[in-house]
This record gives sequence, C-alpha cells and structure tokens, in this order.
Amino acid sequence: GQQVMQIPQYQHVQEGEDFTTYCNSSTTLSNIQWYKQRPGGHPVFLIQLVKSGEVKKQKRLTFQFGEAKKNSSLHITATQTTDVGTYFCAGPRTGGFKTIFGAGTRLFVKA
Amino acid sequence: GAGVSQTPSNKVTEKGKYVELRCDPISGHTALYWYRQSLGQGPEFLIYFQGTGAADDSGLPNDRFFAVRPEGSVSTLKIQRTERGDSAVYLCASSPMGGPPDTQYFGPGTRLTVL
Repeated sequence: GQQVMQIPQYQHVQEGEDFTTYCNSSTTLSNIQWYKQRPGGHPVFLIQLVKSGEVKKQKRLTFQFGEAKKNSSLHITATQTTDVGTYFCAGPRTGGFKTIFGAGTRLFVKA
Repeated sequence: GAGVSQTPSNKVTEKGKYVELRCDPISGHTALYWYRQSLGQGPEFLIYFQGTGAADDSGLPNDRFFAVRPEGSVSTLKIQRTERGDSAVYLCASSPMGGPPDTQYFGPGTRLTVL
C-alpha cells in the first residue's frame, strides 16, 4: 500500500547547528503537510505544500516539495532548544480522505 | 477560541471491557478525523467524518472499533472487547471543510491503557 517514509529516525544536534529531515512517498502526492509534536504534546500543523518544486520559509524553517511531488524536506537553520520535538510529514492517500503520516524524525537539541 | 477537546485524557481499563472516547471538534468544523498513535510512531488514520457520515473508515483495524458523529459535531470512538494491543494515544482532529488539502487541528488525545 501507499507509504510515507521519513529519515532519519532520530537526530541529535548542538544548539546552533542545522537540521534536515527528509520525507519520501511511494506515490505522487497532491500535497504534503508538516506537523511538529512536542514531547507529551499533540501534532501541530506547520505548513502545507501543494505545487511541484515549491519552497516555503517560516523564519528559520525551510520546506521543500520535490519536482515529482514524491518527496519533501524540512530544514532548520541554527537550531534552538525550542525546536525539540518530532517532525512529521503527512500526505493524502490517492483517491481518498485518509491521511498517511510518516513515522517522524525526533530532534534533540543540546544547549 | 477553543480548540479540539478530548475526554477523558487518560483511560485505564481491563482486557475485554468496553470503552468510549469522546471528541469535541472546533465549532463549525465539518470534518473530523480519528487517529491512534503508538510510542515512537506517527498518527495512524482510523476514520474520517464529513458531517454526520463516515466518508472513509478504511483505517479501523477490525469490527471491535466503531465511531459515530450523530449531529455532525461531537464524535465518539467506541472500542468493544478491548485488547492489550489497543493501548495507545487516540487523537482526534478537525478541519474546516475536510478532505485534502486541509489543515487538521489536533486535540490533546486520550491515552488508553488496557491491562
């Protein structure tokens, strides 16, 4: 079945270092969404990408959607301790309403 | 304004018992999703409502799981004959119109523990 995969599973960084997580879908996606979940919290919507090759920025966060609309990335510049959490990508199942989440990348930031 | 709320926040039950989990979506949101999340995993889709009807229930694992949304607002997820493998955090999300692409607003979840 349709799958969404994320790498890496975990990432430890020193505060101030950059961080990137990658998302790959087994099928072409009409859109992709990114969520952040703090430890003990619930997923919070960050952004949605719709167009092929789209790039969006939110302060230190840069989101990209691949040309083939099958992969995406989230890059954080100069991480801060407030960036700690798990970052999930999610995409809709083809032809349905089901949203398929990746397993997430958990970010640890050492001060 | 108020976000998505879920009750109870924690539920401990014994194997074989019946449980109900409640979700109050954001007022005016027509779409409602149920997910479950196990430790270290992403949310796993269970069911999607558009208004009162279940438009996609393909994620329900078996017939012990059932969900309703009789008036198009509050939803209840019902689990019969609970098993230890049902232990997880059950998340509810709502969105203004529903269907991709649409932002989903998640509730805090109900942590279900089956002993």
